[in-house]
Amino acid sequence: DAGVIQSPRHEVTEMGQEVTLRCKPISGHNSLFWYRQTMMRGLELLIYFNNNVPIDDSGMPEDRFSAKMPNASFSTLKIQPSEPRDSAVYFCASRGLAGGTSTDTQYFGPGTRLTVL
Amino acid sequence: KQEVTQIPAALSVPEGENLVLNCSFTDSAIYNLQWFRQDPGKGLTSLLLIQSSQREQTSGRLNASLDKSSGRSTLYIAASQPGDSATYLCAVSGGGFKTIFGAGTRLFVKA
Repeated sequence: DAGVIQSPRHEVTEMGQEVTLRCKPISGHNSLFWYRQTMMRGLELLIYFNNNVPIDDSGMPEDRFSAKMPNASFSTLKIQPSEPRDSAVYFCASRGLAGGTSTDTQYFGPGTRLTVL
Repeated sequence: KQEVTQIPAALSVPEGENLVLNCSFTDSAIYNLQWFRQDPGKGLTSLLLIQSSQREQTSGRLNASLDKSSGRSTLYIAASQPGDSATYLCAVSGGGFKTIFGAGTRLFVKA
């Protein structure tokens, strides 16, 4: 398996523009997580899905952020409009929960480095 | 609200030394605790996962312990190598599997 795939790897945009980050989880995993990492705040959970359904979005900073998971193999995180303070590395992670301990492990993608000018 | 603290924030040791990284959490009602490694500019790699009913896990030169009642975990690295240089993050998952990360310990192993 190729692991968790994220695109793009780097994104530079101007303030006010819409940004869409994409994630393909590991096949067979039924949970998906979006995180944001900054120097100031560390790694923060934004939202997570279980079986394509959003379970907890309390970490989403504001209404400018939205996430969707239309099917088990694809998720998007959208920021509209983007602001300079949104600059960060955004990680997607997936997990397969089937009762075994090994499947509780979260597997992270390589991240998308977002810079908003 | 769960809070996760990692001490020390940074650590520099000579190659070959055994070392301990510490993680503490405020709410003992956790589902599991996981240790990750992050190399600069990279994603996170899972090292060890300890379920709440377990007390330790081992993988090669790594050993992680969990004392849920006191809200503490340690990651022990034996015979450290320059390739171990990275940031190590502790993460706890509680009800609903919400995961909270510590700020990490930045480790540098000198050759």
